[in-house]
Amino acid sequence: NAGVTQTPKFQVLKTGQSMTLQCAQDMNHEYMSWYRQDPGMGLRLIHYSVGAGITDQGEVPNGYNVSRSTTEDFPLRLLSAAPSQTSVYFCASSYLSGTEAFFGQGTRLTVV
Amino acid sequence: DAKTTQPTSMDCAEGRAANLPCNHSTISGNEYVYWYRQIHSQGPQYIIHGLKNNETNEMASLIITEDRKSSTLILPHATLRDTAVYYCIGRDSGAGSYQLTFGKGTKLSVIP
Repeated sequence: NAGVTQTPKFQVLKTGQSMTLQCAQDMNHEYMSWYRQDPGMGLRLIHYSVGAGITDQGEVPNGYNVSRSTTEDFPLRLLSAAPSQTSVYFCASSYLSGTEAFFGQGTRLTVV
Repeated sequence: DAKTTQPTSMDCAEGRAANLPCNHSTISGNEYVYWYRQIHSQGPQYIIHGLKNNETNEMASLIITEDRKSSTLILPHATLRDTAVYYCIGRDSGAGSYQLTFGKGTKLSVIP
């Protein structure tokens, strides 16, 4: 039981490049979400999903796309990377009826 | 979700109890108080949650005032590994409310 797995752990992108951050969970959780954390700040919600085929925007969705084709996976796509997207990205999952959210270890992204 | 207010930082001597306060004066009747912590930029970790009764688990105790306007997280015997940023979060218990709104939290430093 691996929990929530994020890949890659570190990534450097050039401005304008695109990439996908991967998130997978093996707990059969319906709810999955993506957060970003900037230095000295709390986590801010980017996008979330309450089940396969259902996604919605969070607090800071601009510049990011998501899809949820399976219960296990919830990838986050950066369409055209900008320096303002330099951040640490966390994926989380939980049961819809549950109380505890499980977080991945994060992806540290630098856009130059 | 209720806005929460926490001190920016606190120190605690190793082996002593760490008492972390949180003010949530605008909390509504169906909002739970959740506590998470984040150790050195790892993914946040769930600690405990409660509605109006005091709660205890293997990690901590949560004391909620009778008027529910504030609460205190208690780590009974703090160790160096408890050094982390602690987040107090108000979360609606209604259907469709799975999001966690993180503030800046309290940075707890456990001193040898």
